[in-house]
Amino acid sequence: EIVLTQSPGTLSLSPGERATLSCRASQSVSSSLLAWYQQKPGQAPRLLIYGASSRATGIPDRFSGSGSGTDFTLTISRLEPEDFAVYYCQQYGSSFTFGGGTKVEIK
Amino acid sequence: EVQLVESGGGLVQPGRSVRLSCAASGFKFDDHAMHWVRQAPGKGLEWVSSINWNSGSLEYADSVKGRFTVSRDNAKNSLYLQMNSLRPEDTALYYCAKGRLWHLFDYWGQGTLVTVSS
Repeated sequence: EIVLTQSPGTLSLSPGERATLSCRASQSVSSSLLAWYQQKPGQAPRLLIYGASSRATGIPDRFSGSGSGTDFTLTISRLEPEDFAVYYCQQYGSSFTFGGGTKVEIK
Repeated sequence: EVQLVESGGGLVQPGRSVRLSCAASGFKFDDHAMHWVRQAPGKGLEWVSSINWNSGSLEYADSVKGRFTVSRDNAKNSLYLQMNSLRPEDTALYYCAKGRLWHLFDYWGQGTLVTVSS
């Protein structure tokens, strides 16, 4: 099973700042099979990024994804108040796995 | 508009069974894989099970294999999760998710809470 490790666990930033979230895989992941989700308190997760770098429908362009192999990054260029949430990476290799999540909180 | 509505959760004793349902609307149900993902209180997401469009391919997390069974009824636009031999560690909010291709979860329901406790 591929293990996804997200860092940091918590990111404390102010609105307008840039957020950089990391997702590291225990073995190589096909970029086409790496996705990112956003979850706000009390809500279901929402697909943000698929194929490591493609934005899902309706996702603002301040969200971008990059990476390959074992290292992937989600970047939020300028944090808006509605972006403070928990973010999960997810992969499909022989099975589905999620990372443990990164909480982006208001500093 | 895609809608996924889960039901069937509640308080259940260890060792007992429960069946979750997910009613889907707003898309062509029999064109898509469907998934169950759970989230224990205050914890992260854990994939549980997946089923392809015609029930020909089923996958399970190791933690539920042999105890849970996923199924679907395309005529009723419904997804199910039969959960047997429940354990306290199965306590979680269970989400139904629509599949995009096989490996993406592109729409999620609001979840149904299963609490396993005596």
